[in-house]
Amino acid sequence: QKEVEQDPGPLSVPEGAIVSLNCTYSNSAFQYFMWYRQYSRKGPELLMYTYSSGNKEDGRFTAQVDKSSKYISLFIRDSQPSDSATYLCAMSLSGGYNKLIFGAGTRLAVHP
Amino acid sequence: SAVISQKPSRDICQRGTSLTIQCQVDSQVTMMFWYRQQPGQSLTLIATANQGSEATYESGFVIDKFPISRPNLTFSTLTVSNMSPEDSSIYLCSLRDRAGNEQFFGPGTRLTVL
Repeated sequence: QKEVEQDPGPLSVPEGAIVSLNCTYSNSAFQYFMWYRQYSRKGPELLMYTYSSGNKEDGRFTAQVDKSSKYISLFIRDSQPSDSATYLCAMSLSGGYNKLIFGAGTRLAVHP
Repeated sequence: SAVISQKPSRDICQRGTSLTIQCQVDSQVTMMFWYRQQPGQSLTLIATANQGSEATYESGFVIDKFPISRPNLTFSTLTVSNMSPEDSSIYLCSLRDRAGNEQFFGPGTRLTVL
């Protein structure tokens, strides 16, 4: 079993839809959770960073962490074609320099 | 966040040769990381590079195959040695912010080995 599981998609939605991207994990000691967006032929771009449980909102993006269920989500409201990319979840044991463990990434296509 | 640049952005190499990838950061960072992203796969950490000391390699990666240099706090290189087609991948350098929480990535080097 992988430490972090993420549905690879692809996920195709119409413009304006609400998108839900999810990851599950097995290590209950993970404390830091991140979402990255990666456009084709580009490096990953940090979108959201959350510590422990709870929600965090930034514009159209909301990150949610449920440590009791070992489940994290990224919601995208009013999705745009420019949101079409691969979304990677990542997590680590603590801050400092513990390595990030990545999910496989979910490909999202938002069509006009 | 720091600006990270990589050279080359892409290359096509012959089997058995070596390629050195450069990573330049516009501010001083203590630790830099090198990742590999194989086609259709997620990111896998190759090694952590500290300035002034030997790099620390993850399981499955060895110094002879992926030698790393870290001559100062803004620069690092990763060499992919004696390449085979299985080394075809995107190679990314990365750094953590000063607090050690948020991690940022360079644009990547797309390597194809024939």
